[in-house]
Amino acid sequence: GAVVSQHPSRVICKSGTSVKIECRSLDFQATTMFWYRQFPKQSLMLMATSNEGSKATYEQGVEKDKFLINHASLTLSTLTVTSAHPEDSSFYICSATDRDYEQYFGPGTRLTVT
Amino acid sequence: RKEVEQDPGPFNVPEGATVAFNCTYSNSASQSFFWYRQDCRKEPKLLMSVYSSGNEDGRFTAQLNRASQYISLLIRDSKLSDSATYLCVVNDRGSTLGRLYFGRGTQLTVWP
Repeated sequence: GAVVSQHPSRVICKSGTSVKIECRSLDFQATTMFWYRQFPKQSLMLMATSNEGSKATYEQGVEKDKFLINHASLTLSTLTVTSAHPEDSSFYICSATDRDYEQYFGPGTRLTVT
Repeated sequence: RKEVEQDPGPFNVPEGATVAFNCTYSNSASQSFFWYRQDCRKEPKLLMSVYSSGNEDGRFTAQLNRASQYISLLIRDSKLSDSATYLCVVNDRGSTLGRLYFGRGTQLTVWP
């Protein structure tokens, strides 16, 4: 099946720094990529929807200036958490859809902000 | 009101037991329905799609009732390896194509 990778799988950073997370579709071109966040014992919450070459669409309550999304190609989307705070510590998961709108999830990135 | 509601559990059952999970969704225009499985600290993985006629995959049976906006998952002959969180997921293609709405998940622990 289709494969989506994320990098890094785990990152620890200091408060106030920025962290970039990459999401790649390895064997297909992703028409759309989604970024989710999951806090402990909570469901996945969609943060934003990203289409290649256009601005991401953010969900209500998600600050677009804090969570910068770049989708420069059909196989790569990046999420940058700017000026990270401890409350940004979470599990960030991307997913990518192919032309049939099947959705494939990346393995997730665990962010810890100290 | 949340798009997808699930009983969070936890469900603790012995090996060999039958367990059922329920889920309701709020958008009657929803078009696709799924059950995902998520292991601790891992990404969700598709367990099965849910069709209007009901469908079965080995020990797993999924049912959909569009009139009641209700989805169920039945696991028979539970195995230790079934221990995970089961996510009810709905796709509303009327809005952003491919956008998925996740339930909070139902935690299952199967004990020997």
